[in-house]
Amino acid sequence: GAVVSQHPSWVICKSGTSVKIECRSLDFQATTMFWYRQFPKQSLMLMATSNEGSKATYEQGVEKDKFLINHASLTLSTLTVTSAHPEDSSFYICSGIRTSGRGTDTQYFGPGTRLTVL
Amino acid sequence: AQSVTQPDIHITVSEGASLELRCNYSYGATPYLFWYVQSPGQGLQLLLKYFSGDTLVQGIKGFEAEFKRSQSSFNLRKPSVHWSDAAEYFCAVSHNTDKLIFGTGTRLQVFP
Repeated sequence: GAVVSQHPSWVICKSGTSVKIECRSLDFQATTMFWYRQFPKQSLMLMATSNEGSKATYEQGVEKDKFLINHASLTLSTLTVTSAHPEDSSFYICSGIRTSGRGTDTQYFGPGTRLTVL
Repeated sequence: AQSVTQPDIHITVSEGASLELRCNYSYGATPYLFWYVQSPGQGLQLLLKYFSGDTLVQGIKGFEAEFKRSQSSFNLRKPSVHWSDAAEYFCAVSHNTDKLIFGTGTRLQVFP
């Protein structure tokens, strides 16, 4: 399968600071990437869809000014949590779609980034 | 509204025993269905997917799932569980391959 990496794998920051999380597709080009958030013992909730070269599409209830997404290349998307607060502490997971060309694209997930805001 | 229900939050089985993880969905059209496994420190790994055709789908690691339209179900099965199968399992639904709606997950514990 295809590989998606995330960096950092975990980060601790002070309240009010900004944190950037990188998501890279290592062996395929991902025109579309997704950012999810997962709370403990809960499911993944889609935050936004990121398309290379265009603005991200945010799900209802997700603050686009707080969660800045940039998808500058076909292998890199970044999520910046601006002015982070303790309630932003969570597990952030990205994914990328690898196009098969046969209408059966598959979404590949990164290992996630644990964000703790003090 | 589209939704996925995994009724079992936590399942414990003995190694070598058979396994069935339940998944029910609510969807207006024929959905695309997925099962993912999440292990600590690793990304979600796709076990199998159903788009169309044969309703019994074979996946990796010896897993299979059966799509039953009449029951709106897509249960995951494995005839003999290994200790390494202990993980969190997520069922997901989509109308194509991008926006996935996940269930709440089932944590599988395997006893020797």
